[in-house]
Amino acid sequence: SQQGEEDPQALSIQEGENATMNCSYKTSINNLQWYRQNSGRGLVHLILIRSNEREKHSGRLRVTLDTSKKSSSLLITASRAADTASYFCATLYWAFGSGTRLSIRP
Amino acid sequence: GAVVSQHPSWVICKSGTSVKIECRSLDFQATTMFWYRQFPKQSLMLMATSNEGSKATYEQGVEKDKFLINHASLTLSTLTVTSAHPEDSSFYICSARLQGVNQPQHFGDGTRLSIL
Repeated sequence: SQQGEEDPQALSIQEGENATMNCSYKTSINNLQWYRQNSGRGLVHLILIRSNEREKHSGRLRVTLDTSKKSSSLLITASRAADTASYFCATLYWAFGSGTRLSIRP
Repeated sequence: GAVVSQHPSWVICKSGTSVKIECRSLDFQATTMFWYRQFPKQSLMLMATSNEGSKATYEQGVEKDKFLINHASLTLSTLTVTSAHPEDSSFYICSARLQGVNQPQHFGDGTRLSIL
């Protein structure tokens, strides 16, 4: 399968803590994308990291990419209640993993 | 940023009804749009790729006569679920992407379809 797979499947943390999600994939890629989905809504693009990049930042988000291990991580720092959502990685337009359900406890 | 509008957001109808869902790119032209189906707490499953001015490309196992796709302009693709039955109840999401290999997808807000 070419799709990414996220780990863990579910994550519950206290507000203010950092949340880390991982994504593994199986084939070579041009880029890897992370998306967020709030319950009952469409996906929102968070960040795209190209295959020749190792780390990328956007606000409280930090994404790393290790092409030798075929893995990526998404770090959300200083989590907020509004970060509660499902997070997906995708390597191709059809290749979404099953997602990590993140819950932030107030 | 690129905005994709999907309409309606929620449909409830009787079995046997045909339902049309619209997907519009509001501020960019999309030669290609994608239609997905999502079951609760599961990932997105690509149903078909909609190409402007040509026939859609359907994924294996998706009935093209059941899910009619029309992409008549660079800003509009429609998905029609024909003669819908309860098993067609699901969350349908469309997306569009700007041209270029390193472009992300922009998603509509989805349509929740409930067939009674």
